[in-house]
Amino acid sequence: DAGVIQSPRHEVTEMGQEVTLRCKPISGHNSLFWYRQTMMRGLELLIYFNNNVPIDDSGMPEDRFSAKMPNASFSTLKIQPSEPRDSAVYFCASSRQGGNYGYTFGSGTRLTVV
Amino acid sequence: GENVEQHPSTLSVQEGDSAVIKCTYSDSASNYFPWYKQELGKGPQLIIDIRSNVGEKKDQRIAVTLNKTAKHFSLHITETQPEDSAVYFCAAIFSGNTPLVFGKGTRLSVIA
Repeated sequence: DAGVIQSPRHEVTEMGQEVTLRCKPISGHNSLFWYRQTMMRGLELLIYFNNNVPIDDSGMPEDRFSAKMPNASFSTLKIQPSEPRDSAVYFCASSRQGGNYGYTFGSGTRLTVV
Repeated sequence: GENVEQHPSTLSVQEGDSAVIKCTYSDSASNYFPWYKQELGKGPQLIIDIRSNVGEKKDQRIAVTLNKTAKHFSLHITETQPEDSAVYFCAAIFSGNTPLVFGKGTRLSVIA
């Protein structure tokens, strides 16, 4: 298995532009998580899905952030419009549902908004 | 609320010495406690986990201990090597299908 695949690895964009981050979870994993990592806040859970259904998006910082999971093998995190304070590393992780299972993280997308 | 406290935030040890990282959690119902290692430029990677029905688990040079009464768990790395240098995160599941709650991380530096 190739693991959790995220793209792009790096993204530099101008303030106000739309940014779309992509994630392919491990086949057979039915829970998917989006995290944001910064020095100040550490790992923050933004949103998670079970069986493609969003369960809790209370970690999404603002309405500028949205996430979708149209099928079991693909998810997107979109920021529109982007702002400099959105600069961070964004991780996608997947696991088998039901808790008590370790997560497999992707390599992350480093987003820089200038 | 649900919380995982991790300390120390930074730790430096001499190569060959042991390193210990400790975490405490707030919910006595927690039953799953994984540890992750994050190397520079990579995502966190699961290195060991423990469930509430055991008190200790070992995997070569790493071990995790759990004290459910005191609500704390620890990561022990023996005979540390430079490649152990990374950020380590503890985490806990607080109930059922809820996501993992992560500690703030410990930056471990192994000095050759």
